[in-house]
Amino acid sequence: AQTVTQSQPEMSVQEAETVTLSCTYDTSESDYYLFWYKQPPSRQMILVIRQEAYKQQNATENRFSVNFQKAAKSFSLKISDSQLGDAAMYFCAYRRPGTYKYIFGTGTRLKVLA
Amino acid sequence: EAGVAQSPRYKIIEKRQSVAFWCNPISGHATLYWYQQILGQGPKLLIQFQNNGVVDDSQLPKDRFSAERLKGVDSTLKIQPAKLEDSAVYLCASSPRTGTYNEQFFGPGTRLTVL
Repeated sequence: AQTVTQSQPEMSVQEAETVTLSCTYDTSESDYYLFWYKQPPSRQMILVIRQEAYKQQNATENRFSVNFQKAAKSFSLKISDSQLGDAAMYFCAYRRPGTYKYIFGTGTRLKVLA
Repeated sequence: EAGVAQSPRYKIIEKRQSVAFWCNPISGHATLYWYQQILGQGPKLLIQFQNNGVVDDSQLPKDRFSAERLKGVDSTLKIQPAKLEDSAVYLCASSPRTGTYNEQFFGPGTRLTVL
């Protein structure tokens, strides 16, 4: 069975600095999709970035980028130039092609310090 | 486009009472999900619908939880009777039938407190 692990329950970063959130997963599949979702306090979960496993190029969305290491089954999220609005819970998620089922990690709470 | 709508946003009940949550997915989205998110944890899938049929309800406590999706659009999730451990945020999400990623779009959630 697939599992997603986020080993950092909480992280802190100074405003304007860079922070990396870790995510590892376990799967026997060769093709799959990976996602990072952001859940601000009392607000709904939104998609930050996504990656297809067969694409070697790391996905980038403005200040957000991933470091996808397929062999290591690692999918970390880098946030550059951190802003106060980046403070939230961040969830890593896995989806196998042909299914619509997501498997979420336990989340990392990111605090941004002014 | 309008997002996923959920109501109510908050609900407080006593144990052994019943409660129902409503979800309206994004128009045209074939797949609808209900998740339970206990404080400090990631969302756990309770049930997944494809149109109005159930695809996966393996983690739904069927002795007390039920869900339906009439006409493949709106959905309701019911708990009867509620237990203290049901206190959580109940998230509804939907995803389109087509597209490479079939990413999920989440509603604001319903925060349930069982006293």
